[in-house]
Amino acid sequence: GDSVTQMEGPVTLSEEAFLTINCTYTATGYPSLFWYVQYPGEGLQLLLKATKADDKGSNKGFEATYRKETTSFHLEKGSVQVSDSAVYFCALRKAAGNKLTFGGGTRVLVKP
Amino acid sequence: GAVVSQHPSRVICKSGTSVKIECRSLDFQATTMFWYRQFPKKSLMLMATSNEGSKATYEQGVEKDKFLINHASLTLSTLTVTSAHPEDSSFYICSATPGQYNSPLHFGNGTRLTVT
Repeated sequence: GDSVTQMEGPVTLSEEAFLTINCTYTATGYPSLFWYVQYPGEGLQLLLKATKADDKGSNKGFEATYRKETTSFHLEKGSVQVSDSAVYFCALRKAAGNKLTFGGGTRVLVKP
Repeated sequence: GAVVSQHPSRVICKSGTSVKIECRSLDFQATTMFWYRQFPKKSLMLMATSNEGSKATYEQGVEKDKFLINHASLTLSTLTVTSAHPEDSSFYICSATPGQYNSPLHFGNGTRLTVT
């Protein structure tokens, strides 16, 4: 079945450091890929998405490129802030109305 | 942007009682809603998928008689935890989609259930 694997956390960084969270997936067909962010005590917010190979999703300084050849969708940000401290989830989705399959989540802690 | 409202945000109940959690899509019609459960420091586990006007489809291992899901309208789905026990304490999150191709899923802010 479909699955998403992302690096385990927690990831602890200093402010202005470079952040990478690896995400790889296993799925048949051509899934859409997503990154969601969850701040403490809250639900999930869509951070960015990509719907086909070589698409780059970007938002709030975060970027991720859909790499079909490596089945990856790594999340990057060049300079993190304390406010980026959260749990980040990589996810895939096969079709409209279908469920999201989530990775295990990566907790990121940015220290001032 | 699209908003999904989930209520209550926190609830404490006694063991043996039932608790209802509501999930509303405020500015779109949600043909499909999903209910997730999140354990501490864990990922989200899909519990069930509900389509308006039909029975929910439960994931393997989820007790449908314990977690009753109703999706009676295009803007409202409810999850009722029946005869709650302490092990049901968790963070429950709903999400909704209008179902159009590649339309994103919109998430509620979750409900923290504590069963004492």
